[in-house]
Amino acid sequence: DAGVTQSPTHLIKTRGQQVTLRCSPKSGHDTVSWYQQALGQGPQFIFQYYEEEERQRGNFPDRFSGHQFPNYSSELNVNALLLGDSALYLCASSLGAGGKIFEQYFGPGTRLTVT
Amino acid sequence: AQSVSQHNHHVILSEAASLELGCNYSYGGTVNLFWYVQYPGQHLQLLLKYFSGDPLVKGIKGFEAEFIKSKFSFNLRKPSVQWSDTAEYFCAVIFMDTGRRALTFGSGTRLQVQP
Repeated sequence: DAGVTQSPTHLIKTRGQQVTLRCSPKSGHDTVSWYQQALGQGPQFIFQYYEEEERQRGNFPDRFSGHQFPNYSSELNVNALLLGDSALYLCASSLGAGGKIFEQYFGPGTRLTVT
Repeated sequence: AQSVSQHNHHVILSEAASLELGCNYSYGGTVNLFWYVQYPGQHLQLLLKYFSGDPLVKGIKGFEAEFIKSKFSFNLRKPSVQWSDTAEYFCAVIFMDTGRRALTFGSGTRLQVQP
């Protein structure tokens, strides 16, 4: 049973560029959430996708956007990269988006460095 | 805004010592509570969780946590730590009554166990 997978593992981009990160959820899961973890901090919620729609969003600018595909996999896109976007980007998958129990499983993350 | 606090940023213990890591949240409604662990070079793993019922929950690797609703706390404990417990520990909360199914993380506690 494959867990959550993310690609690429590492990425180096220049300020102003755009980046796309990818995530495949754990088998049987239909909800994908994205988090940003800056160095020395806890992860911060970016947004969540369920049934191919963005359902919830954290306090991140519109430069951060995403997509969910019919197979439940997801992409995170960041436009006009800033140095402050350098972080570990985590994908978490779960089952359902509105129930009373909401348990998320995390992938290994993508380390983004903006120079 | 709802928040999660972990007051111990860096803890150093000798093997066999007892561990207690504090976690407090600022919210009076229904919560789902989690502790995640991040071993060096590995991804976030769920250590234990609380949704309802018995406030003392047991997780993997001998860890347990107690939910004290009146204190808005969910402290993590282990009677006797091992060198292999060296890792970063994150407390996370879902504030259920807000309708948002996203984890709010504390800033993490780095545990270093000396042999």
